[in-house]
Amino acid sequence: RKEVEQDPGPFNVPEGATVAFNCTYSNSASQSFFWYRQDCRKEPKLLMSVYSSGNEDGRFTAQLNRASQYISLLIRDSKLSDSATYLCVVNMGNDYKLSFGAGTTVTVRA
Amino acid sequence: NAGVTQTPKFQVLKTGQSMTLQCAQDMNHEYMSWYRQDPGMGLRLIHYSVGAGITDQGEVPNGYNVSRSTTEDFPLRLLSAAPSQTSVYFCASSYSGGGQAFFGQGTRLTVV
Repeated sequence: RKEVEQDPGPFNVPEGATVAFNCTYSNSASQSFFWYRQDCRKEPKLLMSVYSSGNEDGRFTAQLNRASQYISLLIRDSKLSDSATYLCVVNMGNDYKLSFGAGTTVTVRA
Repeated sequence: NAGVTQTPKFQVLKTGQSMTLQCAQDMNHEYMSWYRQDPGMGLRLIHYSVGAGITDQGEVPNGYNVSRSTTEDFPLRLLSAAPSQTSVYFCASSYSGGGQAFFGQGTRLTVV
């Protein structure tokens, strides 16, 4: 079983729509959680950290469910510029190692 | 701000050739790492370093060497390139373990 699993998508949504997707992780001792954004042929960049109580950053909302071992990302009022691959990243707690999901592709159409 | 700088951006190698991918960061980060990214897979950790003079193996270290003689630089050496090493390579640095990672722009390597 992969350490971090994501639905690859793609999620094709119209502008203004809400899109949400999850990521599951296998290690219950995981301590830190992140969503990264990766544009086509570019490097990953941090979108937001995910906190236990859930957190928002503008149109983006992240949730953590430790009991079921998943995190989620919700994008409200989608923009064309939100089209990207979203990577779920988990720190398993041992040293520096980050584990990456394969990514969920979101395409926002006009 | 330069951040994390990787060179080259593109490289084609013949099987058996060796080369070094360069990575430098100017943020005084202790943690640096190398990943490879293949289609349909998450980034996989090749090697990492928690400070100058300290390196360790990641998930897929075979065929690669690293060194960390300074805080700024973390080169990745391919010893004898194989077609299975065709991939996109990313160098990353971070202030602390498990914290936000900053990535270089990537190196697209093709081994023929």
